[in-house]
Amino acid sequence: ILNVEQSPQSLHVQEGDSTNFTCSFPSSNFYALHWYRWETAKSPEALFVMTLNGDEKKKGRISATLNTKEGYSYLYIKGSQPEDSATYLCAPRFETGANNLFFGTGTRLTVIP
Amino acid sequence: EAGVAQSPRYKIIEKRQSVAFWCNPISGHATLYWYQQILGQGPKLLIQFQNNGVVDDSQLPKDRFSAERLKGVDSTLKIQPAKLEDSAVYLCASSIRGLAGGIAYNEQFFGPGTRLTVL
Repeated sequence: ILNVEQSPQSLHVQEGDSTNFTCSFPSSNFYALHWYRWETAKSPEALFVMTLNGDEKKKGRISATLNTKEGYSYLYIKGSQPEDSATYLCAPRFETGANNLFFGTGTRLTVIP
Repeated sequence: EAGVAQSPRYKIIEKRQSVAFWCNPISGHATLYWYQQILGQGPKLLIQFQNNGVVDDSQLPKDRFSAERLKGVDSTLKIQPAKLEDSAVYLCASSIRGLAGGIAYNEQFFGPGTRLTVL
């Protein structure tokens, strides 16, 4: 079983604040990293797929960085809005096995209006 | 394009009863996955199908869980008999091949899940 850790587990921020979360994973045999946003009672939605060390991706107010050598990724949200409230899941893939996703436990973000 | 459909959305049963979940993947997606997400944990892969063949079922508790994908399209996941610890959200996903940084991967699209409560 691969150890994928996300921190913090939960987070409350005020509307307008910027925030960030961490995903750490084993660096050996790394293949790709996926970030998903999962709102309550909805389907998990893909945010980013990153593969290369030093990758930076951006989608609106959300961005992510990747360090494959040390095995971590950061997700940043600038100017949080109530609609950003969700659980953010990271899921690395590794070269071994069936190339499946290994999900972390997620960071549950609540943005207070 | 329609997304991944799952039913039912919610199910409450008593322990030792049986339950079945249904998934209809996105049209044309050859690969289908079932995940179990227990409260406080990340989704865990139970089984992966490629068309109607099983690719990986190493984490499926085969004494009580079974899954099939008839004709390589829809899939059902069954639990018989259910235990208290089976209370979870069961997610279905399907995938197509994508590219990122020149590397091929299977991009997964998820359904809304079925929330199972076992009393």
